[in-house]
Amino acid sequence: SAVISQKPSRDICQRGTSLTIQCQVDSQVTMMFWYRQQPGQSLTLIATANQGSEATYESGFVIDKFPISRPNLTFSTLTVSNMSPEDSSIYLCSVRGATSGSTDTQYFGPGTRLTVL
Amino acid sequence: SQKIEQNSEALNIQEGKTATLTCNYTNYSPAYLQWYRQDPGRGPVFLLLIRENEKEKRKERLKVTFDTTLKQSLFHITASQPADSATYLCALPQGRGATNKLIFGTGTLLAVQP
Repeated sequence: SAVISQKPSRDICQRGTSLTIQCQVDSQVTMMFWYRQQPGQSLTLIATANQGSEATYESGFVIDKFPISRPNLTFSTLTVSNMSPEDSSIYLCSVRGATSGSTDTQYFGPGTRLTVL
Repeated sequence: SQKIEQNSEALNIQEGKTATLTCNYTNYSPAYLQWYRQDPGRGPVFLLLIRENEKEKRKERLKVTFDTTLKQSLFHITASQPADSATYLCALPQGRGATNKLIFGTGTLLAVQP
């Protein structure tokens, strides 16, 4: 399995500001993803973080709003830019293709709970 | 596109009983299906993966079945305990390729009463 940590675990931010969330994995992984989970909702995929190239965004999500970096096989960041209260959500880092276990199994970090005032 | 249906109503059961949760999908049969547990405010925790050629998989008190004819997976927790209370999510890949993205159901809330 893969052990994933996220920083910060939670934050309260002012409207119009930006927050960068970090995701660190304890082993090299093939794929890294960022999800959002709004209150009472299921998980929505924001983008796939590609190592050394631009992330692949899902419909409804754009790079200007959610810039993503993935400089190596164990680390990624997601920035939530120019925040509004509608961005209040839990943001989750997820990985697949850990060196141990099935390449199909997908693991999640503990999440970052963001509240925008 | 693929849709996943999980019972959105909470499932309330007595401690010691078997909980059974259902996951139905609407389109093509996926190569595998995964079940997760999620506690409030936390990320999902992987429980079990079952492949299309496996009818059943077990892990301690957990059992998952996969019926590609019915397009359904059942998730069972035997001898349930109050600590099993959580939301359980079903997930499957959006396509058949190795890199296909996981899509998730809305989850079923299980409440085990002591």
